[in-house]
Amino acid sequence: AQSVAQPEDQVNVAEGNPLTVKCTYSVSGNPYLFWYVQYPNRGLQFLLKYITGDNLVKGSYGFEAEFNKSQTSFHLKKPSALVSDSALYFCAVRVPVGDNFNKFYFGSGTKLNVKP
Amino acid sequence: DTGVSQNPRHKITKRGQNVTFRCDPISEHNRLYWYRQTLGQGPEFLTYFQNEAQLEKSRLLSDRFSAERPKGSFSTLEIQRTEQGDSAMYLCASSLKGPGSYNEQFFGPGTRLTVL
Repeated sequence: AQSVAQPEDQVNVAEGNPLTVKCTYSVSGNPYLFWYVQYPNRGLQFLLKYITGDNLVKGSYGFEAEFNKSQTSFHLKKPSALVSDSALYFCAVRVPVGDNFNKFYFGSGTKLNVKP
Repeated sequence: DTGVSQNPRHKITKRGQNVTFRCDPISEHNRLYWYRQTLGQGPEFLTYFQNEAQLEKSRLLSDRFSAERPKGSFSTLEIQRTEQGDSAMYLCASSLKGPGSYNEQFFGPGTRLTVL
């Protein structure tokens, strides 16, 4: 079965420190992986994606993520956290279903708290 | 703003009533998705349209749920005889199928449904 796991419900980090939000996946075939961020009462905003190529991908707002095929992980990282990064983060994997449809599976989300 | 829009943003209804939500995708996007998100969970796929054709429907979508996209532009999601378990955030997303497109989904702000 296809699935995405975010093992931490919440991550706390001090402003200026590096942050990591973890994601592991279980899919058949080559995955396309995504990170989204959700602010209160807002829809999900796209941060970055891995399709192929370099395992380290860079995205919006200084975020980056590292794809690790052997560990089936796609952890989100940022070298220096900001208070404004505090939000809910979702990892997602795209799985082709037939010729015409790609289904997205989302993790349960990780709440990031950045303290001043 | 040329993003995905959803109306209404909030809906409070009594059990047994029918409700209808609208989604206006990004204008050139030919794919449209509906998701349901409950507290503490990631979005769960409900249904998918490519242009006006509804190509995929989740088992989560009971007979009380129906979705349409009559002209391949905006979409409506109707819930008949609402139940308290239908209380959730209903998210719409759109994406573009085409050369070089990797189906990155753009989300609307959601409609929060509360069934009393």
